[in-house]
Amino acid sequence: GIQVEQSPPDLILQEGANSTLRCNFSDSVNNLQWFHQNPWGQLINLFYIPSGTKQNGRLSATTVATERYSLLYISSSQTTDSGVYFCAVTGGTSYGKLTFGQGTILTVHP
Amino acid sequence: DAGITQSPRHKVTETGTPVTLRCHQTENHRYMYWYRQDPGHGLRLIHYSYGVKDTDKGEVSDGYSVSRSKTEDFLLTLESATSSQTSVYFCAISESEAGALEQYFGPGTRLTVT
Repeated sequence: GIQVEQSPPDLILQEGANSTLRCNFSDSVNNLQWFHQNPWGQLINLFYIPSGTKQNGRLSATTVATERYSLLYISSSQTTDSGVYFCAVTGGTSYGKLTFGQGTILTVHP
Repeated sequence: DAGITQSPRHKVTETGTPVTLRCHQTENHRYMYWYRQDPGHGLRLIHYSYGVKDTDKGEVSDGYSVSRSKTEDFLLTLESATSSQTSVYFCAISESEAGALEQYFGPGTRLTVT
């Protein structure tokens, strides 16, 4: 099946700093999503982005499908950005089943 | 927020007992999924449904069964719970079989098997 690798595994920032999270995948995809899992365990949809670039406030994401990677940018980080960020993909014949990466644990200090 | 609820939210049960988790949606989405989340493994698909009475296995389906008798409800059953099934279980919904549309997740159920 499709493999998903996220980097870095851990990231510690001071409030106000910028960061880039990366997601590499091993095959073509027809769905790619970024999620934020907050400290209470809730999975929050950030982006649905199988290709192209999107922005939502301080967050933006870019997926280069031909090169099999996606990037999540967080600017001017806040303590509320802390949590785990997951990339998840659906491969070409997986009928909607998401395969998750291991996640990036982000800690933002005040 | 997508209208997805899971019940119970927390459960402690003993090894060998049957357990049923419920996922309820108010979005009339066709596809529903059950995932489990464990440290070191991220989220993994257990079973999914592509319509009423239509279900299929995911990556980690052993020891689990599912049923979907109505569009809005998707049940996950552990026939005889084991300690290895201690986990957080998430339900998700989506519209498109091809995965072209977003999946939305419920709040999760924390299950402990003693």
